[in-house]
Amino acid sequence: NAGVMQNPRHLVRRRGQEARLRCSPVKGHSHVYWYRQLPEEGLKFMVYLQKENIIDESGMPKERFSAEFPKEGPSILRIQQVVRGDSAAYFCASSLIYNEQFFGPGTRLTVL
Amino acid sequence: GQQLNQSPQSMFIQEGEDVSMNCTSSSIFNTWLWYKQDPGEGPVLLIALYKAGELTSNGRLTAQFGITRKDSFLNISASIPSDVGIYFCAGQLTGSSNTGKLIFGQGTTLQVKP
Repeated sequence: NAGVMQNPRHLVRRRGQEARLRCSPVKGHSHVYWYRQLPEEGLKFMVYLQKENIIDESGMPKERFSAEFPKEGPSILRIQQVVRGDSAAYFCASSLIYNEQFFGPGTRLTVL
Repeated sequence: GQQLNQSPQSMFIQEGEDVSMNCTSSSIFNTWLWYKQDPGEGPVLLIALYKAGELTSNGRLTAQFGITRKDSFLNISASIPSDVGIYFCAGQLTGSSNTGKLIFGQGTTLQVKP
């Protein structure tokens, strides 16, 4: 019974490069949420997706960030032209229904 | 936007002691959840509360959903070294006009001295 999978676990990028983070939800879960955690802080909501649809992107920066959850394959969080302030842990959570979200191990992004 | 105030920010206790932490909000939620995060890992769900006034236990953990729907607390009894970690509360609004996103508190860092 596999949980939420995220890869890579660690990602290093230079300023200006693209970062692509992948999330495979629990089998059968159709709701995916992305959160960002800065050092010493709680998690902040970024975006909520269902298969092929973005439902709520109110927490996503307006520029450089995008997310998708295709019919087949993992959900992808894409950050273009990364800057040092993008360095954080990015967590994906999935749920079958609204209530209980189960989190992946996260991707730690470091921008040099 | 909605904010949660979680306290205390950190605790350093002796093994065997009981621990209590709480979260308050300026607005109501219809679900409260408590998570634990170990270093380098994602949050793990400990307890979920769905009804105002609900008191739920999971082993040595007990959590309550406040009557006003604006607060929740978590108690850990007889702490052990593996309880070390960061505990987060999270509030959630569900239903047709809400998306179920979680609003997290700032976390309580727990250290247990053997």
